[in-house]
Amino acid sequence: KAGVTQTPRYLIKTRGQQVTLSCSPISGHRSVSWYQQTPGQGLQFLFEYFSETQRNKGNFPGRFSGRQFSNSRSEMNVSTLELGDSALYLCASSRPRDRAPNEQYFGPGTRLTVT
Amino acid sequence: ILNVEQSPQSLHVQEGDSTNFTCSFPSSNFYALHWYRWETAKSPEALFVMTLNGDEKKKGRISATLNTKEGYSYLYIKGSQPEDSATYLCAFTGTASKLTFGTGTRLQVTL
Repeated sequence: KAGVTQTPRYLIKTRGQQVTLSCSPISGHRSVSWYQQTPGQGLQFLFEYFSETQRNKGNFPGRFSGRQFSNSRSEMNVSTLELGDSALYLCASSRPRDRAPNEQYFGPGTRLTVT
Repeated sequence: ILNVEQSPQSLHVQEGDSTNFTCSFPSSNFYALHWYRWETAKSPEALFVMTLNGDEKKKGRISATLNTKEGYSYLYIKGSQPEDSATYLCAFTGTASKLTFGTGTRLQVTL
């Protein structure tokens, strides 16, 4: 069974630009969550999508947005990039809660560098 | 704001030593407590998911316990090996399905 995949793996952008990251969950997983990890910080929750609907949202500005498609693939978008957005962005997929207590499977991450 | 705290922040042990880390979390609205191992250049890997007070889980030399009434979990590693070197993360799930992570305990095991 293929794991969670994320593309691209590495990205360099300039301040003010926008970026879109993609995540394909494990087959059969309908929930996708996104996290940001910066040096010295733990994994910070961005948002969670389930059946194409945003189910939870973290404390990030509106420049961070996401969506989920009917095949459960998800994208996150960051507009008007700032230097502080440089981070590792991880996505994780999970089965419905009634089948497993939200055990999440992580992808390899996208390393975003904003210059 | 949910606070999930882990201690120590980092730990350096020798091969063969046994060690343990602590995770503290809110004791209200508890649903599950997760432990992950995150090796450098890899994805976080799930170790345990625990839901019941008093739960104990074991995988090889690694085990974990859970106390939901007082809001803490311990992760134990018996006879540490260099391949155990990683950051160990705990995460709390409450009534919302999102995970709130601690900042992790970074373990370094040397020969």
